Amino acid sequence: DADVTQTPRNRITKTGKRIMLECSQTKGHDRMYWYRQDPGLGLRLIYYSFDVKDINKGEISDGYSVSRQAQAKFSLSLESAIPNQTALYFCATSGDRGTSGYTFGSGTRLTVV
Amino acid sequence: AQSVTQLGSHVSVSEGALVLLRCNYSSSVPPYLFWYVQYPNQGLQLLLKYTSAATLVKGINGFEAEFKKSETSFHLTKPSAHMSDAAEYFCAVSEGAGGTSYGKLTFGQGTILTVHP
Repeated sequence: DADVTQTPRNRITKTGKRIMLECSQTKGHDRMYWYRQDPGLGLRLIYYSFDVKDINKGEISDGYSVSRQAQAKFSLSLESAIPNQTALYFCATSGDRGTSGYTFGSGTRLTVV
Repeated sequence: AQSVTQLGSHVSVSEGALVLLRCNYSSSVPPYLFWYVQYPNQGLQLLLKYTSAATLVKGINGFEAEFKKSETSFHLTKPSAHMSDAAEYFCAVSEGAGGTSYGKLTFGQGTILTVHP
């Protein structure tokens, strides 16, 4: 099994729909992150969580919310999806304050029509 | 605050040629620096990292990078490109302790490497 699992892998949804992207990890790490990837923009941080009770906004959190259900699970929600949220979404985890790098999931490709 | 600039969104080389992917960063405190690779339809894989030890860092698949504080650079190189190196490469920075972005990775825009036969 992968260290970081994201579901679904691909999703097409309609404008205005609520959608949840799920992430689980088996690394036993406290820190989890959600990024979105857009061509030419690299990866941008949406939300991050340094432990179950610590959730923080990243640079592009508008239109998104998260839930840290357990140490191993970190979900990203789009309350009312819009087309410019079409992107590749990555979940990541780290065991320290960034010195070792992150372990990434395989990504969720989301299309909002 | 921290930031990363990758010079060149696309780099094309011939098989066997030198690969050079450029990365410059800014950070208010000594940084941690990373290179990741993304193959088509896959997630990001760590190539190598600099965490204040040796300035020349060796990674997987024959890649290496040199941290140059005076130039605020962390360029990625490989002496001889292989077809399997074709991918997108991301440079990333994380500020060390005391930085406002401590514990968060900031990524560059990415560089797509194409390798021609």
